[in-house]
Amino acid sequence: QQKVQQSPESLSVPEGGMASLNCTSSDRNFQYFWWYRQHSGEGPKALMSIFSDGDKKEGRFTAHLNKASLHVSLHIRDSQPSDSALYFCAASDGTNTGKLTFGDGTVLTVKP
Amino acid sequence: AQTIHQWPVAEIKAVGSPLSLGCTIKGKSSPNLYWYWQATGGTLQQLFYSITVGQVESVVQLNLSASRPKDDQFILSTEKLLLSHSGFYLCAWSPGLGASAETLYFGSGTRLTVL
Repeated sequence: QQKVQQSPESLSVPEGGMASLNCTSSDRNFQYFWWYRQHSGEGPKALMSIFSDGDKKEGRFTAHLNKASLHVSLHIRDSQPSDSALYFCAASDGTNTGKLTFGDGTVLTVKP
Repeated sequence: AQTIHQWPVAEIKAVGSPLSLGCTIKGKSSPNLYWYWQATGGTLQQLFYSITVGQVESVVQLNLSASRPKDDQFILSTEKLLLSHSGFYLCAWSPGLGASAETLYFGSGTRLTVL
């Protein structure tokens, strides 16, 4: 069983709409979470990290973490066509080896 | 500002041929360095990590090897390519400050096609 599961696999929202992506971990050792975004043909770029319960907001992006349920979400408000990309949730147990465990990703399409 | 450069951008190689991919990080001393592999449209799998020059740890066995000859350089190689080696290879760095969790910063990747 994959330790980091993302849903949905793909998502389509209209320009200006809200996109909501979900991630659940099956490993209680994972305490640190990130959201990465990857445009086609490029390397992933870190959008934000979240290590504490609750919400973390950075511009149009809001992440929410619930450690009790090992659930983390990403909400993108006022979605833009440039937000169309593959989004990954990544988790770590805190050992300093950079061994992030990535989910399978969610393909977001923002339609003009 | 830190920059990460990967080379080459893309490679098309024959099964059984050797391979060498490179990565250079500028603007950061003593970073942690990583190699990740990604199947087309798929998830990312860590292959190797290095916290200091000359020291490399393997995470998965894929008939690949890695070396860190300089503080700012990370090399991925193999003497004999397999079809299964095709994919997108990503080099990444993190600050290496000993924090419990560090963000990884990825390069632009090398697309490898093995025929």
